[in-house]
Amino acid sequence: AQSVTQLGSHVSVSEGALVLLRCNYSSSVPPYLFWYVQYPNQGLQLLLKYTTGATLVKGINGFEAEFKKSETSFHLTKPSAHMSDAAEYFCAVRESGYSTLTFGKGTMLLVSP
Amino acid sequence: GAVVSQHPSWVICKSGTSVKIECRSLDFQATTMFWYRQFPKQSLMLMATSNEGSKATYEQGVEKDKFLINHASLTLSTLTVTSAHPEDSSFYICSASFSSGPAYNEQFFGPGTRLTVL
Repeated sequence: AQSVTQLGSHVSVSEGALVLLRCNYSSSVPPYLFWYVQYPNQGLQLLLKYTTGATLVKGINGFEAEFKKSETSFHLTKPSAHMSDAAEYFCAVRESGYSTLTFGKGTMLLVSP
Repeated sequence: GAVVSQHPSWVICKSGTSVKIECRSLDFQATTMFWYRQFPKQSLMLMATSNEGSKATYEQGVEKDKFLINHASLTLSTLTVTSAHPEDSSFYICSASFSSGPAYNEQFFGPGTRLTVL
């Protein structure tokens, strides 16, 4: 079965600093990869996804992620954090041929002034 | 495009009553809908997958008779929590997906429903 590991339940950064949220997956076959953001008491909003093609994926709100097959990783980055980025971030994978998503446990991003 | 709504956004009910939560795809036909449960400060747990016109497929450990799922049309799925108890209090999120097209590998999420059972 697929598993998704998000390193760090909480990540704290200062406004303007680099954001790096880590995600590793377990699969011998590259899956579809997703990053979602969740604000309090809201549903999930897709930030970006990797399906095929270019391994560096750009998403909304200045976020991007790079698929590294050799490292089975899909880390999320943003060059400069904004206060509005404070939220919970979930990495998810979907195996080809399956419709269900497997989520990581989430990483809470805290942004201080 | 690809908007999913849920109703109600929050509900408080007495123990022993049943609660129905609706999930609608507003601008597309969703061949598959998913129901998740999320406990405070935790990840999403998939409860069941439903395809229009067929019985839902429940994940291991999810009580079928407790959480009734109906997917009667391509735009509507409902989750009924029967004989709710305080331990059923949670945040319930639905999602919907296409069967084909460029976004077929993506799930579109509703805003969630906060259920509190007293």
